[in-house]
Amino acid sequence: EAQVTQNPRYLITVTGKKLTVTCSQNMNHEYMSWYRQDPGLGLRQIYYSMNVEVTDKGDVPEGYKVSRKEKRNFPLILESPSPNQTSLYFCASSPGQSRSYNEQFFGPGTRLTVL
Amino acid sequence: KQEVTQIPAALSVPEGENLVLNCSFTDSAIYNLQWFRQDPGKGLTSLLLIQSSQREQTSGRLNASLDKSSGRSTLYIAASQPGDSATYLCAVRGDNYGQNFVFGPGTRLSVLP
Repeated sequence: EAQVTQNPRYLITVTGKKLTVTCSQNMNHEYMSWYRQDPGLGLRQIYYSMNVEVTDKGDVPEGYKVSRKEKRNFPLILESPSPNQTSLYFCASSPGQSRSYNEQFFGPGTRLTVL
Repeated sequence: KQEVTQIPAALSVPEGENLVLNCSFTDSAIYNLQWFRQDPGKGLTSLLLIQSSQREQTSGRLNASLDKSSGRSTLYIAASQPGDSATYLCAVRGDNYGQNFVFGPGTRLSVLP
């Protein structure tokens, strides 16, 4: 089944404790992206990657890191989480620019609470 | 900077009604526009994707139109059902493929039995 998976689905942590949220897609998509969703602010893009070893900042990149060493994986790293990073996080992927139909597929979400 | 708005913010209709959700964007230079639905606490499900060169797309009871020059898209839902109750989001992608996506705030739809 074609899908985007995220782990963990739920995470409660404390301020300053480094964490990684994994994202993996099995559709051979070139483009991958991370979003956070907050009440009243909607979905905002954190980082995106157009291909392996190519990443770029979205609208709210502060406090986050990403890497794209393999095409299928795009982990989100919080080196020193803070309470204002408590949010619902989504990973998404879509085919490359050469494809004519570039629908974006989303993972199930990771609910992160930073105490 | 691209801004996306959606009207109305919330909508409640009786079952069986046809309805229209609106999405507006400030920069008409878009690559595509995608409509999603989101159930409470869940992920996003893609409904329809309209490329910048297209005027509309249809899937079942859903029809989405795009008027790029005026910066508008509409999602038409025919014969609404209680199962259509969800938040509907539109998202635009800039015409430079590398640009990021911008989402609207969503329309929360309730279809009453």
